Amino acid sequence: EIVMTQSPATLSVSPGERATLSCRASQSVSSNLAWYQQKPGQAPRLLIYGASTRATGIPARFSGIGSGTEFILTISSLQSEDFVVYYCQQYNNWPSTFGPGTKVDIK
Amino acid sequence: QVQLQESGPGLVKPSETLSLTCSVSGDSVSSGSYYWSWIRQPPGKGLEWIGYLYHSGSTNYNPSLKSRVTILVDTSENQFFLNLRSVTAADTAVYYCARAYGDYVWAADFWGQGTLVTVSS
Repeated sequence: EIVMTQSPATLSVSPGERATLSCRASQSVSSNLAWYQQKPGQAPRLLIYGASTRATGIPARFSGIGSGTEFILTISSLQSEDFVVYYCQQYNNWPSTFGPGTKVDIK
Repeated sequence: QVQLQESGPGLVKPSETLSLTCSVSGDSVSSGSYYWSWIRQPPGKGLEWIGYLYHSGSTNYNPSLKSRVTILVDTSENQFFLNLRSVTAADTAVYYCARAYGDYVWAADFWGQGTLVTVSS
């Protein structure tokens, strides 16, 4: 099973600033990597798949990059609704596995 | 718009079977294009993909749960189901049903709101 790690566990950022979240896989997952946003009490929301393709309806301030074992999610200018938890997920191998999450909070 | 809705008991006793239903609208579970999935999240923890249904009846399960899990489908009702046998407290979680893209892309674009299942006597 591929183990996903995310850093940092918590990221403190001011509104309007850029946030950079990292995700690492224990072995190569090619570009088979997705990012999700989860608000309290809600289901995750797909942001990015294929490492860099935004899902339908996702604002352009969300972008993803990476391949192999290292991936980055960037939120270019944080809005109030962006201060929540983000998960990465690999789907190169079954079972698909998720990272432990990064919480973005207000600095 | 695709919508998924989980239903089932919120409390299950240890050693019994957890059974949930996912009702789908706006798409067909008979569609061969997608992976109709169950994903769970223990309180305050991360996400675990339990398994999925594809091609109207074929299934694939997480090896960590494979001995205890069955996913079934009722195409006439446009529903799919999760059965998890011999549950313990470690199975306490919010259970989500979701639709993933298919074609080896397990990225889930539509989710139910989730249902909390507590395992306790």
